[in-house]
Amino acid sequence: QKEVEQDPGPLSVPEGAIVSLNCTYSNSAFQYFMWYRQYSRKGPELLMYTYSSGNKEDGRFTAQVDKSSKYISLFIRDSQPSDSATYLCAMSTWSTSYGKLTFGQGTILTVHP
Amino acid sequence: DTAVSQTPKYLVTQMGNDKSIKCEQNLGHDTMYWYKQDSKKFLKIMFSYNNKELIINETVPNRFSPKSPDKAHLNLHINSLELGDSAVYFCASSQAGGENTEAFFGQGTRLTVV
Repeated sequence: QKEVEQDPGPLSVPEGAIVSLNCTYSNSAFQYFMWYRQYSRKGPELLMYTYSSGNKEDGRFTAQVDKSSKYISLFIRDSQPSDSATYLCAMSTWSTSYGKLTFGQGTILTVHP
Repeated sequence: DTAVSQTPKYLVTQMGNDKSIKCEQNLGHDTMYWYKQDSKKFLKIMFSYNNKELIINETVPNRFSPKSPDKAHLNLHINSLELGDSAVYFCASSQAGGENTEAFFGQGTRLTVV
């Protein structure tokens, strides 16, 4: 069993839809939770960062962390074709050396006009 | 200005060859990484260096040898390339310590072994 599980999709939605992306994890030591966005043939770029449990909002994006269920989510409101990308959840522990990230498999999202 | 740059961007080579990928970061970070992304987009850490010292080596075959000449550079040398080494290799950097462990990634090197 992988430490971080993420449904690879693909997920296809119409423009304007609300998108929900999720990850589950097994390592209870994870404290830092991130969502990276990766466009085709590019490197991942940080989208959202959350410490411990709770919600964080940034424009059309909301990240949620439920440590009791070992479950994190990313919601995208009013999705746009430019949101089409692979979304990777990533996690780390404070005690892990120097920011080692453990990634989910990534969910491929397509937003069609 | 590119923050984390890798060369080459594409690499096609035959089995058994030896090849190197170079990485440089201009962010002033003290920690650099190599990650491997397989055909299913799964991204996994290979190595981590902090101030030129190897910190993480995630059970990578010893055909892979990273080298950090200084804090801003981390190169990856691969000996005796195998078909299974075909993947996209990403270099990344971050600043050790502190709450935010954001890693900045390069554009990737797409390695194809034929």
